[in-house]
Amino acid sequence: GDSVTQTEGLVTLTEGLPVMLNCTYQTIYSNPFLFWYVQHLNESPRLLLKSFTDNKRTEHQGFHATLHKSSSSFHLQKSSAQLSDSALYYCALSDRNNYAQGLTFGLGTRVSVFP
Amino acid sequence: EAGVTQSPRYAVLQEGQAVSFWCDPISGHDTLYWYQQPRDQGPQLLVYFRDEAVIDNSQLPSDRFSAVRPKGTNSTLKIQSAKQGDTATYLCASSLWGASQNTLYFGAGTRLSVL
Repeated sequence: GDSVTQTEGLVTLTEGLPVMLNCTYQTIYSNPFLFWYVQHLNESPRLLLKSFTDNKRTEHQGFHATLHKSSSSFHLQKSSAQLSDSALYYCALSDRNNYAQGLTFGLGTRVSVFP
Repeated sequence: EAGVTQSPRYAVLQEGQAVSFWCDPISGHDTLYWYQQPRDQGPQLLVYFRDEAVIDNSQLPSDRFSAVRPKGTNSTLKIQSAKQGDTATYLCASSLWGASQNTLYFGAGTRLSVL
């Protein structure tokens, strides 16, 4: 079946430093659709960014990610972390040819940003 | 525009008790999902509907869990005879079937503790 792997369970860093969260996936879909959701404490997951286009950078709210189908990866990056970026980040996978079937989530990466 | 509304926000049960969760999706969204999110894990799909029809309930523990969406709008997820392993946050999400953006909008969730 489909799966999403996020290798870091916890990332701690100092404000102003860059951050990168890893995401790789396995799927039978020929047209995978990848997402990053962010979940702040006591809130529900909220879409951060998404992509189905190979090798095209997607940006939102200072974060960016590029889907690389050759390596089945969709890593999330930000050049300068802020205190407000402290949250849980989930990488998720769907099939662009079957939009409605829902998402397969990774285990998540908790990001803690300190002053 | 109102978001996805869930109630109750919290529930505490003894093993063996029953509980129901209620979800009101975003107006006009025909697709509704129920996810289970154990502590420190990513959301896991339980069941989803298009209008009133169940599309996939293969991950729903059918012996104790049931979900309905009789009029294609609000939905109820019920657990009969809860177990400690059911302790999790139950998230409802909605979207538009066939929408190319494939974005799920999540409610605030119901946090269930089974003692």
